[in-house]
Amino acid sequence: QSVLTQPPSVSGAPGQRVTISCTGSSSNIGAGYDVHWYQQLPGTAPKLLIYGNSNRPSGVPDRFSGSKSGTSASLAITGLQAEDEADYYCQSYDSSLSASVFGGGTKLTVL
Amino acid sequence: EVQLVESGGGLVQPGGSLRLSCAASGFTFSSYSMNWVRQAPGKGLEWVSYISSSSSTIYYADSVKGRFTISRDNAKNSLYLQMNSLRDEDTAVYYCARVWDSSGPFDYWGQGTLVTVSS
Repeated sequence: QSVLTQPPSVSGAPGQRVTISCTGSSSNIGAGYDVHWYQQLPGTAPKLLIYGNSNRPSGVPDRFSGSKSGTSASLAITGLQAEDEADYYCQSYDSSLSASVFGGGTKLTVL
Repeated sequence: EVQLVESGGGLVQPGGSLRLSCAASGFTFSSYSMNWVRQAPGKGLEWVSYISSSSSTIYYADSVKGRFTISRDNAKNSLYLQMNSLRDEDTAVYYCARVWDSSGPFDYWGQGTLVTVSS
């Protein structure tokens, strides 16, 4: 049972828009800690996709965007491409655990 | 170019020990905090441990507390994870990851090293 809750899977057709939710609590996202998102392509290490709720590292396409409100955050991907098929994880910090926490991950399938 | 290269993984029996290493290059290692994150086969990411740049602050996940020890040698640009009393459930790919601070993003990751605990 992960501290941050994500849907196990989402899917969309090429060109469509999908969103992935990440729900936390008052000791992590709701306490004001930033949410970060990672993309993990099959057989590879995770890669930072969004940091500080809505910022993209250099090289990440602007098709990827993040937002945060209250105790939740969301990752949106527009103009879906086949290469976006991957696992996506949200991450934050939990003050009651004194620990970084991850969501359980969401598998994105491009139909 | 930032590089993190893990080593030391392998097959170990339950109750055994293993020491993982992470060699860092391409940045000022002594200025950054570091983490270990693991991923069991077919499962999600699990944070394991955090160490600040000067080793003054260390955190562990409850699942490894008392069994694992994180350390670093800034002169050697290296991060370590000493794993004792290993259990079947410790089987995973272990990644080292650079972080800005305890709540910051993990901005660079190594390629991972596989630890298999099995008799």
